[in-house]
Amino acid sequence: QSVLTQPPSVSGAPGQRVTISCTGSSSNIGAGYHVHWYQHLPGTAPKLLIYDTNNRPSGVPDRFSGSKSGTSASLAITGLQAEDEADYYCQSYDMTLSGVFGGGTKLTVL
Amino acid sequence: QVQLVQSGAEVKRTGSSVKVSCRASGGTLNGYAINWVRQAPGQGLEWMGGIIPIFGTTSYAQKFQGRVTLIADDSTSTAYMELSSLRSEDTAVYYCARAASAGYYDGGNPFDIWGQGTLVTVSS
Repeated sequence: QSVLTQPPSVSGAPGQRVTISCTGSSSNIGAGYHVHWYQHLPGTAPKLLIYDTNNRPSGVPDRFSGSKSGTSASLAITGLQAEDEADYYCQSYDMTLSGVFGGGTKLTVL
Repeated sequence: QVQLVQSGAEVKRTGSSVKVSCRASGGTLNGYAINWVRQAPGQGLEWMGGIIPIFGTTSYAQKFQGRVTLIADDSTSTAYMELSSLRSEDTAVYYCARAASAGYYDGGNPFDIWGQGTLVTVSS
């Protein structure tokens, strides 16, 4: 059971917009700690997609965006492409547990 | 550009220990922390701990306290993760990852550079 809760799976057709939620509590996201997002393809290392809630590292398309409200954060992907099919993880800091990840969300492009 | 290169796959017996290395290639670690993250088969990512090699400062996830030891040799830009009392549930791919900001080793900083991963298989 992860401290940060993500839906196990989401799906969308090419060109559509999907969102992935990451729900925490008052000891992590709700306490004001930043949220980061990773894209993870099987057999490869995770890739930093969004840092500090809503910032994109160089090279990450602006189709990816992040937001936060209260004890939750979200990753939005617009203009869905086949290459976006992957697992996505949120990460934050918890006052009791230190570094924490969400359980991960599998994105399927229909 | 710094790359993190990890040691090769390991097969270990239940109850033994494993030591995985992570070397910075193409640069040094300076004051950046190296974190360790694992992924068991069919499971998500799990933060284990972090170390700032130049200072030896460490932070461990509660779950692994007493069983994991992080050390580093700043002169060779190499970090090590040793996990003891191995059990079958420790079978996983272990990643090292650099925190994006210097001085942060508690797992809350984003990880911008990752190693290729090391598969550790634990069997009886």
